[in-house]
Parts: sequence; C-alpha cells; structure tokens
Amino acid sequence: GQNIDQPTEMTATEGAIVQINCTYQTSGFNGLFWYQQHAGEAPTFLSYNVLDGLEEKGRFSSFLSRSKGYSYLLLKELQMKDSASYLCAVRDSNYQLIWGAGTKLSIKP
Amino acid sequence: DSGVTQTPKHLITATGQRVTLRCSPRSGDLSVYWYQQSLDQGLQFLIQYYNGEERAKGNILERFSAQQFPDLHSELNLSSLELGDSALYFCASSSGTSNNRPYNEQFFGPGTRLTVL
Repeated sequence: GQNIDQPTEMTATEGAIVQINCTYQTSGFNGLFWYQQHAGEAPTFLSYNVLDGLEEKGRFSSFLSRSKGYSYLLLKELQMKDSASYLCAVRDSNYQLIWGAGTKLSIKP
Repeated sequence: DSGVTQTPKHLITATGQRVTLRCSPRSGDLSVYWYQQSLDQGLQFLIQYYNGEERAKGNILERFSAQQFPDLHSELNLSSLELGDSALYFCASSSGTSNNRPYNEQFFGPGTRLTVL
C-alpha cells in the first residue's frame, strides 16, 4: 500500500530552527509537496521537490532524497505565526496526491 | 486568496438530510478535487474531476456524489447525513497540465464547514 509518515506533533521556540521529516512509500514518484495549514483554514502551497537536493524559499527550505523515500521541511527564524500543521504529499505514478496526516507545530515564546 | 471559491461557508443541518456544496475553480483550472477533513484529522481525498469527467476516486461514501459542469464549477452532494459527516469540506483546483504551472500544485478554497445535528 501507499504510506506517508510524519510526526504527529512538534514543539519549537520562537527564533529557533525546526525540521519536520516525511518518509514515503508510494507506487511511483512524480514530486513531493509541502503545504501549511492553519487551524480551520485551507492548506496553502509551500514547496515542491522532484529532484534530489535542497530547495530554498526564504525562511523555508525543503529537501528530498528519492533513494531514501525521505523529505524534510526546514523552518528557520521561527515566528509565532508559523504555528500550524504542515502536510507532506507525494504525487504517485498515476499523478494522484497521497497525503500525510500532517505535523502540528506549536511555537512557544 | 487562492482564487477558488466555495459556498456556503457554513452549513448546519439534521441527520438524514441532503446538502449540496458548491465550488468554483481558479480561472483556467480544469481539475477539481474534493476533500473531507474531520476535526484534528488529516485530509481525506474524496474525488477528482477533470474537464467534466471523473478522474479519480478516493474514500468517497456511496451516499456522496459529485459532478463537474461544463463551466467547470463542481458540486458535492451529501445525502442521508450522519453525525460523523460533520467536517470541513475543501475543494481544490489545479490546471491539470504543466503548461502554465510546472508544479501543477493544488490551490484550495476556504472550505465549507458542515455540522450535522
């Protein structure tokens, strides 16, 4: 079956750095997405990786290793507004998105 | 603002009733997706339409149905509602091709919060 694993919850301190991991087992791979979702709101697109390596976008970076079935989202200089759920999703060989359950990140002052 | 619109924003109804949720995709997007998200749960993919045709089905109950119209808006019909159907229902759209958005990422509407009493 297809599976995406993320930690359920994480806590970090304002101003610090946090890494959210995602491992996947899917039938085929056509890209990995990270989305941010604040409570009660719609998910918003953060990043996309299809090749191995690091993609940097401001305070957020996303890394992919296809051979290991592994990705992480790195958030730097954490702000209180970064408190949200972070969803990892993989596009499989049928171009369908398989979603992880999300990681709820809490930022403490 | 993602450009995806959903109506209504909130819906309160009783068990056994039927409701229709409406979604208008971003301009130019051909694919529409429906998701269900129960409280503190992950996104559950229900169904996808592409240019009027059903493209993929997820964990959609037989009591639920959807369609995409020629103007590309979509409706999700939920019938014989149960308490457990209370959730946020999101619609998302994507271009369906890589021509104008190489990632072909999904953009989500604000959701419809359904409460079944």
